[in-house]
Amino acid sequence: KAGVTQTPRYLIKTRGQQVTLSCSPISGHRSVSWYQQTPGQGLQFLFEYFSETQRNKGNFPGRFSGRQFSNSRSEMNVSTLELGDSALYLCASSATPGLGIQYFGAGTRLSVL
Amino acid sequence: AQTVTQSQPEMSVQEAETVTLSCTYDTSESDYYLFWYKQPPSRQMILVIRQEAYKQQNATENRFSVNFQKAAKSFSLKISDSQLGDAAMYFCAYRRAAGNKLTFGGGTRVLVKP
Repeated sequence: KAGVTQTPRYLIKTRGQQVTLSCSPISGHRSVSWYQQTPGQGLQFLFEYFSETQRNKGNFPGRFSGRQFSNSRSEMNVSTLELGDSALYLCASSATPGLGIQYFGAGTRLSVL
Repeated sequence: AQTVTQSQPEMSVQEAETVTLSCTYDTSESDYYLFWYKQPPSRQMILVIRQEAYKQQNATENRFSVNFQKAAKSFSLKISDSQLGDAAMYFCAYRRAAGNKLTFGGGTRVLVKP
């Protein structure tokens, strides 16, 4: 069974641009969560989706948004990029919220110049 | 809000020896889960061990075991017979019984000396 796939692995953008990151969960998993990892703030929860609905959202500005498609694949979008958005973005999937284990992808490393 | 604290930024251990990583958390919930995740240089977070708060018995997974003290809100990880492949960042994480949001500690870097 394939694991959680995140694309792209690396991304370089400039301030003011926008970016879209993709996450394909493990087959059969319907819950997807996103996290931001930085050296200063550590791992922080961004949002969680289940069956195309956002169930929970972390304390991030509105520039950060996400969505989930009917095939459970998820995207997150960051608009008007700032230098501080440089981070590793991790996606995790599980079968259903609150049950089972969350499996993580290898992440997307975003650098904002 | 729940918080998770790992007080040891870095721990060093000799190969084949034992190391214990500390984690404390704060919550008003009675039903929750605690996890230890490993993040090697490849960046992929790997689940090491999971503990359900309602279970008094400490979880074990091969060379990894936890000491769960619910009243003290403490959740330490013991790595026995350390191997070179155990070198990584280790994160303690908390999750409420419902939902998927994980709250992570700051991490502990484990170095394994041959």
